[in-house]
Amino acid sequence: TQLLEQSPQFLSIQEGENLTVYCNSSSVFSSLQWYRQEPGEGPVLLVTVVTGGEVKKLKRLTFQFGDARKDSSLHITAAQPGDTGLYLCAGAQTNAGKSTFGDGTTLTVKP
Amino acid sequence: DTGVSQDPRHKITKRGQNVTFRCDPISEHNRLYWYRQTLGQGPEFLTYFQNEAQLEKSRLLSNRFSAERPKGSFSTLEIQRTEQGDSAMYLCASSLDAGLTYEQYFGPGTRLTVT
Repeated sequence: TQLLEQSPQFLSIQEGENLTVYCNSSSVFSSLQWYRQEPGEGPVLLVTVVTGGEVKKLKRLTFQFGDARKDSSLHITAAQPGDTGLYLCAGAQTNAGKSTFGDGTTLTVKP
Repeated sequence: DTGVSQDPRHKITKRGQNVTFRCDPISEHNRLYWYRQTLGQGPEFLTYFQNEAQLEKSRLLSNRFSAERPKGSFSTLEIQRTEQGDSAMYLCASSLDAGLTYEQYFGPGTRLTVT
């Protein structure tokens, strides 16, 4: 079983602060996705990383895939209340068909 | 295209009843997935289809659960003889079978409450 451990489980910060959340595994993944989910809704895809060491930026969000493709991080600069939500990572292995999800980091950004 | 849709959005049923959920994927997507999510957890894989073929089913999935995708388009998930432990959000996702990426696009989910 390929497990994805996300940390921290909960994070509460003030508007304007920076933060980093992590997604770690002992397994190698061919690709890794980050999603954001709001209460009562389905996850929304933010980014896919494929290459070891890859860095992708989406406005104030920076995603990095570890060199060994076993871990990833999401950094948010100058967090805003609209960033509040559950951040999920999901890893896929070649020819596996399905993805394995972590249990997420619940982020609360206070105004 | 309006994305993945699921129906109903909410379902309340009594223990022992059967329920069926529907998922309409993004039209050009050939893969369709079903997940279950409970509070404080990430989505848990149930099953997936490539076109009309069901390629994998979770070993954790009880034989009370069955899914179909008869024409490779929409899918249904049926739960027979529901139990209180079946209460959860049931998520459907679709994707293209394309290379190394497995970008799944999720529907809004069906919230099941078993009383």
